[in-house]
Amino acid sequence: QSALTQPASVSGSLGQSITISCTGTNSDIGSYNYVSWYQQHPGKAPQLMIYDVSTRPSGVSDRFSGSKSGNTASLTISGLQAEDEADYFCNSYTSSSSYVFGTGTKVTVL
Amino acid sequence: QVQLVESGGGAVQPGRSLTLSCAASGFKFYTYSMNWVRQAPGKGLEWVALVSLDGNNKYYADSVKGRFSISRDNSKNTLFLHMNSLRAEDTAIYYCVRFGYCTGGVCYRAFDYWGQGTLVTVSS
Repeated sequence: QSALTQPASVSGSLGQSITISCTGTNSDIGSYNYVSWYQQHPGKAPQLMIYDVSTRPSGVSDRFSGSKSGNTASLTISGLQAEDEADYFCNSYTSSSSYVFGTGTKVTVL
Repeated sequence: QVQLVESGGGAVQPGRSLTLSCAASGFKFYTYSMNWVRQAPGKGLEWVALVSLDGNNKYYADSVKGRFSISRDNSKNTLFLHMNSLRAEDTAIYYCVRFGYCTGGVCYRAFDYWGQGTLVTVSS
């Protein structure tokens, strides 16, 4: 159950688009479409942003989108805003009937 | 509205035991699977355990298997995490998390509501 691999940090200017990758294996991301993404602001609990690879829950901005190719999932934030500055974590179901989170990515808005 | 309130955290010596509780309200507790997810200070999220809605099926991360036990009392809308043989690396904020984002009569695999967490510190 090794953590999924994410870049430690990604930055972008206001209004730009950024993409965060999340790399797993054939035993998790590669085998299931149960990938979700979470946003966490400092000192706060995480918030669900994307589920089932690319679906947004009600209330989440359409600036957030998700995708998957092979063993890698991605979260794209378009029209970057100041409030998007936060930590982001991916998650996947695994063949061991367990769940695994990514290492986390700190997004900085320049 | 959905509320998840954890309690039971604190400082404990290595090798000792501790039980966390999570009081749930604002939804039909017995219709959702529940989880514990932890976060070491300044680190990432780690899924710890999941219990099915009826309490009959339980799943654990390898890092806690054999030491931690998840359970629930649907009559009291409460989730538990019994932690034994605690180690320094178990030091973390422990979040109670509802599992299953439900919309249109269908529930999807996602951690949709999180409590504010309770801090467990394992140190001599």
